[in-house]
Amino acid sequence: GENVEQHPSTLSVQEGDSAVIKCTYSDSASNYFPWYKQELGKRPQLIIDIRSNVGEKKDQRIAVTLNKTAKHFSLHITETQPEDSAVYFCAATGPNNAGNMLTFGGGTRLMVKP
Amino acid sequence: DAGITQSPRYKITETGRQVTLMCHQTWSHSYMFWYRQDLGHGLRLIYYSAAADITDKGEVPDGYVVSRSKTENFPLTLESATRSQTSVYFCASSPEPRGGGELFFGEGSRLTVL
Repeated sequence: GENVEQHPSTLSVQEGDSAVIKCTYSDSASNYFPWYKQELGKRPQLIIDIRSNVGEKKDQRIAVTLNKTAKHFSLHITETQPEDSAVYFCAATGPNNAGNMLTFGGGTRLMVKP
Repeated sequence: DAGITQSPRYKITETGRQVTLMCHQTWSHSYMFWYRQDLGHGLRLIYYSAAADITDKGEVPDGYVVSRSKTENFPLTLESATRSQTSVYFCASSPEPRGGGELFFGEGSRLTVL
C-alpha cells in the first residue's frame, strides 16, 4: 500500500518568512495529493490539492509543487502570518483507491512567530 | 446546520468497556470514513464505507467495529476498549467515488481509556 512521509515534523519561522513542507510517497500510481490544515482543537480542512497532470498549483500565498519522477510534493507558504500557525498534513491517493481513501503523512507543526 | 457531526465530543471510559462514537452527515455523501489521530502518526484510516451496508477495513481496524444501516450514519464501536485506543477520532465523508476529492471532517471525538 501507499506510504507517505512528511518533513519536518516541526517548523518555526518568523512572520513574513516563507515555509516549505515536503512529502514523499511510495506508490507510483498515486495521482491526487491534497494538503490539509488543522488549527489547534479543530478539524482538518483542505487548503490546496494537486493532481498528477499538473506540476504546480498556486492559491494566493500557498502553492504546491509535484515531482512525479522523484515521487515527492511540497507545500510552500509565502509571507507567513500568525494565523498560518497550525498542523499541516499531506496525503496521497490513487485512481484505484475507492472513495478518495487517503494515506496521510505524519503532520508538520508550523509555528509563525510575530 | 447541515454538515457532519460527531458525538460525543469527549469521552472517558475504562478498559474493557464498550464505547460507540456516532457520526452523522446531511450531505448524502456516499463515502464515509473513520480516522484516528495520534501524535507522530498523522491520521490513520480505521474503516470506511462506500454506501449503506458496505464497509471495509482500513489501515488499523483491529479492535473496532462499524456499521452503516443508513447512508447518513456511520457509528464506530470499540467492543472492549484498551488504553492504546486513547486517541482523537475523526469521522469524514466524501462524495467522490474514486481517486481524488475533498474529505469533509467532523469536529472529532476525544476518547480517553483509563
